[in-house]
Amino acid sequence: RKEVEQDPGPFNVPEGATVAFNCTYSNSASQSFFWYRQDCRKEPKLLMSVYSSGNEDGRFTAQLNRASQYISLLIRDSKLSDSATYLCVVNTPMEYGNKLVFGAGTILRVKS
Amino acid sequence: DAGVIQSPRHEVTEMGQEVTLRCKPISGHDYLFWYRQTMMRGLELLIYFNNNVPIDDSGMPEDRFSAKMPNASFSTLKIQPSEPRDSAVYFCASSHPLAVGYNEQFFGPGTRLTVL
Repeated sequence: RKEVEQDPGPFNVPEGATVAFNCTYSNSASQSFFWYRQDCRKEPKLLMSVYSSGNEDGRFTAQLNRASQYISLLIRDSKLSDSATYLCVVNTPMEYGNKLVFGAGTILRVKS
Repeated sequence: DAGVIQSPRHEVTEMGQEVTLRCKPISGHDYLFWYRQTMMRGLELLIYFNNNVPIDDSGMPEDRFSAKMPNASFSTLKIQPSEPRDSAVYFCASSHPLAVGYNEQFFGPGTRLTVL
């Protein structure tokens, strides 16, 4: 089983739609969680951290369910510029400390 | 700040040749990471350094890969000899000196390596 699993998509949605991505992780000791965004042929960039209580940043809402080891990202009122790959990222304890483990990503295509 | 700088941006080489990728982290960042990204395997951590010291190299594929960080502002990833299956985008990232994994990692633009 992969440490971090995501639906690869692609999710094809019209502008203005609401879309949700899910992610599961296997290590119950994981402590922190993130969503990164990666545009085509570019580097990943942090979109938002995910907190236990859930958090919102404008049109983006992230949720964490530790019991189910499940993370979600909700995007409201999708824009063409939201088209990208969204990477679910989990901090995993290792022998020498922690490391970030990246999911394979979910592709979002927003169309006019 | 210029962000993480990587060179070259593109590298095309022939099988068996030595390849050296370079990275300059953001000033003041004590952690430096090397990742490899392919369609098949996604983004994989190869090795990371803390204060120029390699901490975890368990992701390095095999002895053909080596990485060094001679000082706080420079790191190299070397592949010798290169093979076609090494073709990928190699990213360098750095982060602020708190516990790794709890902080935002800043990625460079990547080096797109093609081994013929």
